[in-house]
Amino acid sequence: KAGVTQTPRYLIKTRGQQVTLSCSPISGHRSVSWYQQTPGQGLQFLFEYFSETQRNKGNFPGRFSGRQFSNSRSEMNVSTLELGDSALYLCASSLRRLPQYFGPGTRLLVL
Amino acid sequence: QQQVKQSPQSLIVQKGGISIINCAYENTAFDYFPWYQQFPGKGPALLIAIRPDVSEKKEGRFTISFNKSAKQFSLHIMDSQPGDSATYFCAASWTDKLIFGTGTRLQVFP
Repeated sequence: KAGVTQTPRYLIKTRGQQVTLSCSPISGHRSVSWYQQTPGQGLQFLFEYFSETQRNKGNFPGRFSGRQFSNSRSEMNVSTLELGDSALYLCASSLRRLPQYFGPGTRLLVL
Repeated sequence: QQQVKQSPQSLIVQKGGISIINCAYENTAFDYFPWYQQFPGKGPALLIAIRPDVSEKKEGRFTISFNKSAKQFSLHIMDSQPGDSATYFCAASWTDKLIFGTGTRLQVFP
């Protein structure tokens, strides 16, 4: 089976812009979770979607949002980008809940 | 209470040696404890995982030891190889989110 794919792999944006990241889960997986990875804060949970519904949410501001489509693909949106949003954004998929399998990530740089 | 504390921050081991990474948690609601391996520029890859009703799980050269009463768990890498050089993360889960440790950078020298 193909693994989790994320697009784009790299992205450069400027402060104030918004960005949309995409994640395609492993075929048959219905749960998609998003994580932010930074050197300072490590890996932090953003949110999780299952069957198009947000099932869980981390402690991030409302500028971070997501959605899941009927084919389980998911998108994450960050509005009004700040310098501190520069990070590796990771998507993980699972059949129902666990285990979670991660994609390669999207590296976002905010200038 | 949601934290997972991981140590050491970095580890240097000779080829053939045993690498040991430790994690501790507070929240007794955690019911799933995975370990992930991450190479530079890649996403974390699931190595091995354990549930709290088991004290030890072994897969190849990787072993998780779990001490429920002490709320601690550890990863042992036997016969460490240069290809094992990576960052290792422990994690704990309840509901559907993973709470990660801060990571251990392992370097295995030939």
